[in-house]
Amino acid sequence: TQTVSQSDAHVTVFEGDSVELRCNYSYGGSIYLSWYIQHHGHGLQFLLKYYSGNPVVQGVNGFEAEFSKSDSSFHLRKASVHWSDSAVYFCAVSANYNQGKLIFGQGTKLSIKP
Amino acid sequence: EAAVTQSPRNKVTVTGGNVTLSCRQTNSHNYMYWYRQDTGHGLRLIHYSYGAGNLQIGDVPDGYKATRTTQEDFFLLLELASPSQTSLYFCASSHRGRTEVFFGKGTRLTVV
Repeated sequence: TQTVSQSDAHVTVFEGDSVELRCNYSYGGSIYLSWYIQHHGHGLQFLLKYYSGNPVVQGVNGFEAEFSKSDSSFHLRKASVHWSDSAVYFCAVSANYNQGKLIFGQGTKLSIKP
Repeated sequence: EAAVTQSPRNKVTVTGGNVTLSCRQTNSHNYMYWYRQDTGHGLRLIHYSYGAGNLQIGDVPDGYKATRTTQEDFFLLLELASPSQTSLYFCASSHRGRTEVFFGKGTRLTVV
């Protein structure tokens, strides 16, 4: 059974702070890991993905994520958040033979205080 | 950027009613997906398709049918709607099943 767990339902930080959104997964075999962002009232937008190689991957708008096989994790980070980063963030896993068939975590709502 | 357009954006129907949600993508993607989004569950895959005439069962298919009539068009059918199907539905597409999936803006369905 493939599962994705985002332990924090809600994270609040101040503008300019760094943030880490956590994602842990359980999946056998070769997988893709990805993060998506959902602004209020909109569909999800792709941020970044990891399959192999450098465990730190860069995405759009200053986001990066780090893969750890030992921890079964793929945490998302940003060094300095902006108010426009307020959104719900979803971690997802998919098998390498059907990369688009995504299994999502429950999502983490990121709120930015001015 | 790929465009995925869903219609209607909002729909209210009665229990036992018949509902069709429509989705059209204009970037020549061959894979299309229907997800539902519920608080506490994230997004869950209902059905997906590799191309016109193809249909694959997702993770939560009960109570739903789908049909892919063309490369561009993917429909989700609820023939006997129930209150448990009140949800936010997203259509999505990707090129050859790649992990970068493009989502529509969603259809909010309420079954009363």
